[in-house]
Amino acid sequence: NAGVMQNPRHLVRRRGQEARLRCSPMKGHSHVYWYRQLPEEGLKFMVYLQKENIIDESGMPKERFSAEFPKEGPSILRIQQVVRGDSAAYFCASSLLAGGYNEQFFGPGTRLTVL
Amino acid sequence: GQQLNQSPQSMFIQEGEDVSMNCTSSSIFNTWLWYKQDPGEGPVLLIALYKAGELTSNGRLTAQFGITRKDSFLNISASIPSDVGIYFCAGTDNNAGNMLTFGGGTRLMVKP
Repeated sequence: NAGVMQNPRHLVRRRGQEARLRCSPMKGHSHVYWYRQLPEEGLKFMVYLQKENIIDESGMPKERFSAEFPKEGPSILRIQQVVRGDSAAYFCASSLLAGGYNEQFFGPGTRLTVL
Repeated sequence: GQQLNQSPQSMFIQEGEDVSMNCTSSSIFNTWLWYKQDPGEGPVLLIALYKAGELTSNGRLTAQFGITRKDSFLNISASIPSDVGIYFCAGTDNNAGNMLTFGGGTRLMVKP
Protein backbone atom coordinates (compact mmCIF):
# COMPACT_ATOMS: atom_id res chain seq x y z
CA ASN A 1 0.00 0.00 0.00
CA ALA A 2 1.97 2.97 -1.31
CA GLY A 3 2.31 6.05 0.81
CA VAL A 4 2.32 9.64 -0.37
CA MET A 5 4.51 9.98 -3.44
CA GLN A 6 6.29 13.11 -4.56
CA ASN A 7 8.43 13.82 -7.57
CA PRO A 8 10.93 14.90 -8.38
CA ARG A 9 12.87 14.35 -5.16
CA HIS A 10 15.37 17.02 -6.16
CA LEU A 11 14.84 19.91 -8.54
CA VAL A 12 17.35 22.52 -9.64
CA ARG A 13 16.17 25.67 -11.37
CA ARG A 14 17.76 28.93 -12.42
CA ARG A 15 16.24 32.22 -11.35
CA GLY A 16 13.25 33.09 -13.49
CA GLN A 17 12.39 29.51 -14.46
CA GLU A 18 9.30 27.61 -13.43
CA ALA A 19 9.18 24.76 -10.93
CA ARG A 20 6.48 22.08 -10.96
CA LEU A 21 6.20 19.77 -7.99
CA ARG A 22 3.91 16.75 -8.09
CA CYS A 23 2.18 14.84 -5.32
CA SER A 24 0.11 11.68 -5.41
CA PRO A 25 -1.81 11.14 -2.15
CA MET A 26 -2.23 7.84 -0.39
CA LYS A 27 -4.82 5.57 -1.97
CA GLY A 28 -8.28 6.62 -0.88
CA HIS A 29 -7.20 10.02 0.44
CA SER A 30 -8.89 13.02 -1.10
CA HIS A 31 -7.39 15.75 1.11
CA VAL A 32 -3.98 17.13 0.11
CA TYR A 33 -1.80 19.67 1.88
CA TRP A 34 1.42 21.40 0.87
CA TYR A 35 4.04 22.58 3.36
CA ARG A 36 7.40 24.30 2.99
CA GLN A 37 10.42 23.70 5.20
CA LEU A 38 13.49 25.87 5.42
CA PRO A 39 16.72 24.38 6.87
CA GLU A 40 16.66 23.93 10.65
CA GLU A 41 12.99 24.96 10.84
CA GLY A 42 9.60 23.32 11.21
CA LEU A 43 7.16 22.94 8.34
CA LYS A 44 4.97 25.88 7.35
CA PHE A 45 1.51 25.34 5.88
CA MET A 46 0.92 26.61 2.36
CA VAL A 47 -2.33 25.26 0.92
CA TYR A 48 -5.06 22.67 1.47
CA LEU A 49 -6.92 21.13 -1.47
CA GLN A 50 -9.60 18.60 -2.15
CA LYS A 51 -10.32 17.22 -5.59
CA GLU A 52 -10.75 20.17 -7.95
CA ASN A 53 -11.07 22.65 -5.07
CA ILE A 54 -8.74 24.90 -3.11
CA ILE A 55 -10.06 24.90 0.44
CA ASP A 56 -7.47 27.02 2.26
CA GLU A 57 -4.60 28.89 0.64
CA SER A 58 -3.84 31.20 3.55
CA GLY A 59 -0.18 30.13 3.62
CA MET A 60 0.51 30.63 -0.08
CA PRO A 61 2.51 33.65 -1.22
CA LYS A 62 0.23 36.00 -3.15
CA GLU A 63 2.31 35.95 -6.30
CA ARG A 64 4.06 33.30 -8.40
CA PHE A 65 2.70 30.33 -6.42
CA SER A 66 -0.32 28.25 -7.41
CA ALA A 67 -1.66 24.80 -6.62
CA GLU A 68 -4.17 22.46 -8.13
CA PHE A 69 -5.59 19.01 -7.49
CA PRO A 70 -7.42 17.93 -10.63
CA LYS A 71 -10.07 15.28 -10.85
CA GLU A 72 -7.55 12.94 -12.44
CA GLY A 73 -3.85 12.89 -11.68
CA PRO A 74 -1.58 14.25 -9.00
CA SER A 75 -1.69 17.53 -7.14
CA ILE A 76 0.67 20.13 -8.59
CA LEU A 77 2.44 22.96 -6.79
CA ARG A 78 3.68 25.45 -9.36
CA ILE A 79 6.18 28.20 -8.72
CA GLN A 80 6.67 30.69 -11.53
CA GLN A 81 9.76 32.86 -12.01
CA VAL A 82 11.61 31.24 -9.13
CA VAL A 83 13.93 33.29 -6.94
CA ARG A 84 16.72 32.14 -4.61
CA GLY A 85 14.44 32.55 -1.60
CA ASP A 86 12.21 29.79 -2.97
CA SER A 87 14.95 27.24 -2.26
CA ALA A 88 13.47 24.89 0.35
CA ALA A 89 12.03 21.44 0.88
CA TYR A 90 8.39 21.19 -0.17
CA PHE A 91 6.32 18.47 1.42
CA CYS A 92 2.95 17.15 0.46
CA ALA A 93 0.66 15.40 2.95
CA SER A 94 -2.67 13.64 2.56
CA SER A 95 -5.44 12.63 4.90
CA LEU A 96 -8.45 10.38 4.70
CA LEU A 97 -10.70 12.67 6.71
CA ALA A 98 -10.99 16.35 7.40
CA GLY A 99 -11.85 18.10 10.63
CA GLY A 100 -10.95 16.64 13.98
CA TYR A 101 -9.43 13.32 12.92
CA ASN A 102 -7.30 14.35 9.99
CA GLU A 103 -4.07 12.46 10.55
CA GLN A 104 -1.80 13.79 7.85
CA PHE A 105 0.76 11.50 6.24
CA PHE A 106 3.72 13.08 4.50
CA GLY A 107 5.63 12.30 1.34
CA PRO A 108 9.43 12.33 1.08
CA GLY A 109 9.50 15.89 -0.17
CA THR A 110 10.94 17.75 -3.14
CA ARG A 111 14.11 19.71 -2.47
CA LEU A 112 14.15 22.77 -4.69
CA THR A 113 17.41 24.57 -5.29
CA VAL A 114 17.36 27.86 -7.17
CA LEU A 115 20.69 28.89 -8.65
CA GLY B 1 -0.53 33.04 13.11
CA GLN B 2 -0.36 30.45 15.84
CA GLN B 3 3.00 29.37 17.18
CA LEU B 4 4.12 26.25 18.93
CA ASN B 5 7.08 26.48 21.27
CA GLN B 6 8.95 23.22 21.34
CA SER B 7 11.70 22.40 23.81
CA PRO B 8 14.42 21.51 24.12
CA GLN B 9 15.84 22.47 20.73
CA SER B 10 18.38 19.66 20.94
CA MET B 11 19.35 16.82 23.22
CA PHE B 12 22.48 14.67 23.36
CA ILE B 13 21.91 11.60 25.46
CA GLN B 14 23.41 8.22 26.23
CA GLU B 15 21.86 5.09 24.77
CA GLY B 16 19.41 3.61 27.24
CA GLU B 17 18.37 6.92 28.76
CA ASP B 18 14.81 8.20 28.73
CA VAL B 19 13.95 11.36 26.77
CA SER B 20 11.25 13.95 27.29
CA MET B 21 10.28 16.85 25.05
CA ASN B 22 7.28 19.15 25.05
CA CYS B 23 5.31 21.71 23.13
CA THR B 24 3.25 24.63 24.32
CA SER B 25 0.87 26.89 22.46
CA SER B 26 -0.65 30.27 23.17
CA SER B 27 -4.12 29.04 22.25
CA ILE B 28 -6.24 25.92 22.58
CA PHE B 29 -5.49 23.09 20.17
CA ASN B 30 -7.93 20.37 19.10
CA THR B 31 -5.34 17.89 17.91
CA TRP B 32 -1.73 17.14 18.77
CA LEU B 33 0.47 15.06 16.50
CA TRP B 34 4.06 13.99 16.98
CA TYR B 35 6.30 13.31 13.99
CA LYS B 36 9.88 12.15 13.49
CA GLN B 37 11.95 13.34 10.54
CA ASP B 38 15.16 11.71 9.35
CA PRO B 39 17.63 13.65 7.16
CA GLY B 40 16.41 13.97 3.60
CA GLU B 41 13.03 12.43 4.36
CA GLY B 42 9.51 13.55 5.16
CA PRO B 43 8.02 13.56 8.66
CA VAL B 44 6.69 10.20 9.84
CA LEU B 45 3.66 10.20 12.13
CA LEU B 46 4.40 8.67 15.53
CA ILE B 47 1.38 9.43 17.71
CA ALA B 48 -1.90 11.32 17.28
CA LEU B 49 -3.86 12.77 20.22
CA TYR B 50 -7.45 14.02 20.02
CA LYS B 51 -8.75 14.47 23.58
CA ALA B 52 -7.58 16.61 26.48
CA GLY B 53 -5.82 14.42 29.02
CA GLU B 54 -5.37 11.57 26.54
CA LEU B 55 -2.26 9.46 27.10
CA THR B 56 -1.21 7.26 24.18
CA SER B 57 1.70 4.87 23.71
CA ASN B 58 3.39 3.51 20.61
CA GLY B 59 6.08 1.05 21.64
CA ARG B 60 8.69 2.95 23.64
CA LEU B 61 6.98 6.26 22.86
CA THR B 62 4.34 7.86 25.05
CA ALA B 63 2.60 11.16 24.41
CA GLN B 64 -0.01 13.12 26.29
CA PHE B 65 -2.51 15.80 25.31
CA GLY B 66 -2.35 18.39 28.08
CA ILE B 67 -5.46 18.95 30.16
CA THR B 68 -5.46 22.67 29.33
CA ARG B 69 -5.29 21.77 25.59
CA LYS B 70 -2.35 24.13 25.28
CA ASP B 71 0.48 21.65 25.63
CA SER B 72 1.69 18.14 24.86
CA PHE B 73 4.71 16.06 25.72
CA LEU B 74 6.49 13.11 24.14
CA ASN B 75 8.56 10.62 26.11
CA ILE B 76 10.92 8.05 24.66
CA SER B 77 12.02 5.31 27.03
CA ALA B 78 15.29 3.37 26.82
CA SER B 79 16.61 5.27 23.81
CA ILE B 80 18.50 3.43 21.06
CA PRO B 81 20.74 4.79 18.28
CA SER B 82 17.98 4.65 15.66
CA ASP B 83 15.97 7.16 17.72
CA VAL B 84 18.31 9.82 16.32
CA GLY B 85 16.43 12.42 14.30
CA ILE B 86 14.31 15.53 14.61
CA TYR B 87 11.01 15.27 16.46
CA PHE B 88 8.24 17.73 15.67
CA CYS B 89 5.02 18.45 17.45
CA ALA B 90 2.14 19.69 15.34
CA GLY B 91 -1.43 20.62 16.03
CA THR B 92 -4.66 22.04 14.71
CA ASP B 93 -6.77 24.70 16.39
CA ASN B 94 -10.34 25.91 15.95
CA ASN B 95 -9.42 28.88 13.86
CA ALA B 96 -7.00 27.22 11.47
CA GLY B 97 -9.19 24.53 9.94
CA ASN B 98 -7.20 21.54 8.78
CA MET B 99 -3.79 23.14 8.57
CA LEU B 100 -1.09 21.83 10.89
CA THR B 101 1.02 24.26 12.89
CA PHE B 102 4.47 22.83 13.59
CA GLY B 103 6.89 23.37 16.43
CA GLY B 104 10.50 24.18 15.72
CA GLY B 105 11.66 20.62 16.37
CA THR B 106 13.83 18.80 18.90
CA ARG B 107 17.03 17.35 17.48
CA LEU B 108 17.85 14.12 19.31
CA MET B 109 21.34 12.66 19.27
CA VAL B 110 22.06 9.33 20.95
CA LYS B 111 25.53 8.22 21.96
CA PRO B 112 26.00 4.45 21.79
